[in-house]
Amino acid sequence: GDSVTQTEGQVTVSESKSLIINCTYSTTSIAYPNLFWYVRYPGEGLQLLLKVITAGQKGSSRGFEATYNKETTSFHLQKASVQESDSAVYYCALGDNTNTGKLTFGDGTVLTVKP
Amino acid sequence: NSKVIQTPRYLVKGQGQKAKMRCIPEKGHPVVFWYQQNKNNEFKFLINFQNQEVLQQIDMTEKRFSAECPSNSPCSLEIQSSEAGDSALYLCASSLGGGQLYFGEGSKLTVL
Repeated sequence: GDSVTQTEGQVTVSESKSLIINCTYSTTSIAYPNLFWYVRYPGEGLQLLLKVITAGQKGSSRGFEATYNKETTSFHLQKASVQESDSAVYYCALGDNTNTGKLTFGDGTVLTVKP
Repeated sequence: NSKVIQTPRYLVKGQGQKAKMRCIPEKGHPVVFWYQQNKNNEFKFLINFQNQEVLQQIDMTEKRFSAECPSNSPCSLEIQSSEAGDSALYLCASSLGGGQLYFGEGSKLTVL
């Protein structure tokens, strides 16, 4: 089956400090999975943060970056300098290449940015 | 702000009661998904549709759960006989394809 592991359930970082949220994946059914980071801000619905569909490529959005590493099966989320408004729940996910395929999500990481 | 509209936001049911949730997908999106997110934040895929036809569904949804996505009407997810373990946030999402899902804010079900 498919699985996504986020090792940190909760992360607290001071404003302007750097951030890394770890994500590793495993799949037995998808040769070339697509990888995603979704985010849920307080009071809002889950929304796409960034997406990478090609191994070796990097995706970026709102100052966040993640590189699709097929060798280590990882897709860690990083930001050089976080802001208080980045406080949210972040979910790593993988999906197949079909247009209708479902996503498999990690359990999420709650990020709290302290002023 | 979510363009996928889910109603109701909250529902409370007794064990054995029916629970029904509705979802209006984003206009023009042919694919609709239902996920269950439990109190531990774990997502469970339930079912997806493309243009009203079921694409995939897990075993759970074949028994007490039923879902449909009729044309020109909201999609719905119904639990025929609610159990305590069904208490969760039920998320509807729609997609144009390519893996980008647009989620609603969810319907939070509490089964007493």
